[in-house]
Amino acid sequence: QSALTQPPSASGSPGQSVTISCTGTSSDVGRYNFVSWYQQHPGKAPKVLIYGVSERPSGVPGRFSGSKAANTASLTVSGLQAEDEADYYCSSYAGQKVIFGGGTKLTVL
Amino acid sequence: EVQLVESGGGLVKPGGSLRLSCAASGFTFTNAWMSWVRQAPGRGLEWIGRVLSKTHGGTTDYAAAVTGRVTISRDDSTDTVYLQLNSLRTEDTGVYYCSIYDFTSGSPQHWGQGTLVTVSS
Repeated sequence: QSALTQPPSASGSPGQSVTISCTGTSSDVGRYNFVSWYQQHPGKAPKVLIYGVSERPSGVPGRFSGSKAANTASLTVSGLQAEDEADYYCSSYAGQKVIFGGGTKLTVL
Repeated sequence: EVQLVESGGGLVKPGGSLRLSCAASGFTFTNAWMSWVRQAPGRGLEWIGRVLSKTHGGTTDYAAAVTGRVTISRDDSTDTVYLQLNSLRTEDTGVYYCSIYDFTSGSPQHWGQGTLVTVSS
């Protein structure tokens, strides 16, 4: 099964909003509401931002939100801050396995 | 506080094997499903597999890319999960992360800091 498709890069200025897409198929993203999003800073372990398409773990700012339509999930970062500059990955359950997206490098201009 | 501490990484020759350990604390390990994810240098995340809790059968599921070379096991008496990977190739080089697999969300949630494996002659 192929990786989920994410744009390689995204950017925005402080205070702006940016949305990162994650496209799968009817066998993964489209079939299950089990999409997660992770933030990874250089040299660090991934950190969960969103699980279950749109749920936020405690401690994750409300600026991060998730949604899904058909085979595409999205992560929106509102009110961009300098510390949001990082790599972002989506994942989807795909029936006894997990598939990750290729990652999106978010640059805060 | 949930803690996952991986160990066992290092330099391994092609064709060799590795056995990584992940020591868990701060949660009820016996109830947890555990997974391993790796990341090649400068590349994205790749799911390796998971082991279910004994309550759920203790079974394992693996990514197609490593099936036949990989074994994930657990020792509930020491709160440790293991990853064994055989017939190593240079493309197995990367950081290997242990994580708690949340079956309610179908995804790895809490992650360790990772251990680096380098496959090179």
